[in-house]
Amino acid sequence: DAGVTQSPTHLIKTRGQQVTLRCSPKSGHDTVSWYQQALGQGPQFIFQYYEEEERQRGNFPDRFSGHQFPNYSSELNVNALLLGDSALYLCASSRLYEQYFGPGTRLTVT
Amino acid sequence: DQQVKQNSPSLSVQEGRISILNCDYTNSMFDYFLWYKKYPAEGPTFLISISSIKDKNEDGRFTVFLNKSAKHLSLHIVPSQPGDSAVYFCAASKGQYGGSQGNLIFGKGTKLSVKP
Repeated sequence: DAGVTQSPTHLIKTRGQQVTLRCSPKSGHDTVSWYQQALGQGPQFIFQYYEEEERQRGNFPDRFSGHQFPNYSSELNVNALLLGDSALYLCASSRLYEQYFGPGTRLTVT
Repeated sequence: DQQVKQNSPSLSVQEGRISILNCDYTNSMFDYFLWYKKYPAEGPTFLISISSIKDKNEDGRFTVFLNKSAKHLSLHIVPSQPGDSAVYFCAASKGQYGGSQGNLIFGKGTKLSVKP
């Protein structure tokens, strides 16, 4: 049983560009959450998707948007990238109980 | 304002001894608490959780204790093994959607080193 998978593993973008990160949830999971982890910090909640709708949102600007597909996979889009967006982006999936995390995508903005 | 605090950035323990990792929270609305372990270049791995209606939960070598009046929880690892060396994150959730489905609020983590 594959766990949560994310792509790509690493990404380098230039300030002002746009980026799309992808996540496939663990089998049987229908809820996907996205987190941003800056260096030396704990993960910070961006938003959560359930039944293809954004169900909860953290304190992130509208430049951060997402989508969930009928197969429960999800995308995170970030527009107008800033240097401060450089971080590890984590996807977590769940069904009823604990959230399980993928390995993350390391985004570097130069 | 940090709602979940892990005040010890690091902890060093001898193999076979007990490791105790601590976590404090400020929001009394939190009703579900989790511990995650993270190795470098990997995502956090779920370890153990506890609902606010309990004060203890045990799973093998791992036990989590919750003291609601003190807004404090701790993770005990007995006996500690070198493979336990990792960063441990405490997380809390307000269960609007039940259990841990709410967004998780993390502490900054404690780096545990278990020496052979």
